[in-house]
Amino acid sequence: NAGVMQNPRHLVRRRGQEARLRCSPMKGHSHVYWYRQLPEEGLKFMVYLQKENIIDESGMPKERFSAEFPKEGPSILRIQQVVRGDSAAYFCASSTGQAGINQPQHFGDGTRLSIL
Amino acid sequence: KQEVTQIPAALSVPEGENLVLNCSFTDSAIYNLQWFRQDPGKGLTSLLLIQSSQREQTSGRLNASLDKSSGRSTLYIAASQPGDSATYLCAVPNQAGTALIFGKGTTLSVSS
Repeated sequence: NAGVMQNPRHLVRRRGQEARLRCSPMKGHSHVYWYRQLPEEGLKFMVYLQKENIIDESGMPKERFSAEFPKEGPSILRIQQVVRGDSAAYFCASSTGQAGINQPQHFGDGTRLSIL
Repeated sequence: KQEVTQIPAALSVPEGENLVLNCSFTDSAIYNLQWFRQDPGKGLTSLLLIQSSQREQTSGRLNASLDKSSGRSTLYIAASQPGDSATYLCAVPNQAGTALIFGKGTTLSVSS
């Protein structure tokens, strides 16, 4: 059983470049969530998507960050013009239904983003 | 606004001890509470999910309890082993049910 797959596992970018993080949910899961874990901070919610729709993006910065979950292919978290403060571990989770109610979220191993 | 707090932030115990990790939340109107384990450089592994109507859940040496009225949950680990060393996180859904709100975790170290 393939779990939630994230790639790359590690990503290094220079300030001003773009970062693209990919997440393939578990088979049969159509709900995807992105979280960010900053050093010494807890996991913080960023965005929740269902196929082709953004349901809740209240945790995502308004500028430079965007997310998509197309009909075909993985979910993508895109960060434009990266800055040092974007250095963090980015985790993706998936579920079969809306996870807040009664469906557990299953997490990937994360992408560690480092900004030089 | 829901806030989740975990105490202690770190805990060191010798192998074989029974231990309790604590989690508190400010808004008792929750759908459920979930306990996770995170190993260094890894993602989160779900350990137990307690529905709001339940008082506890058990899985092997792990037992999680939930007291909604007091806004508390505990994770009890029996006969701890070095392999239990990890960071343990608790989380509750936000009011809309669209995201999980996490505590900062308790980092457990079990020495042999």
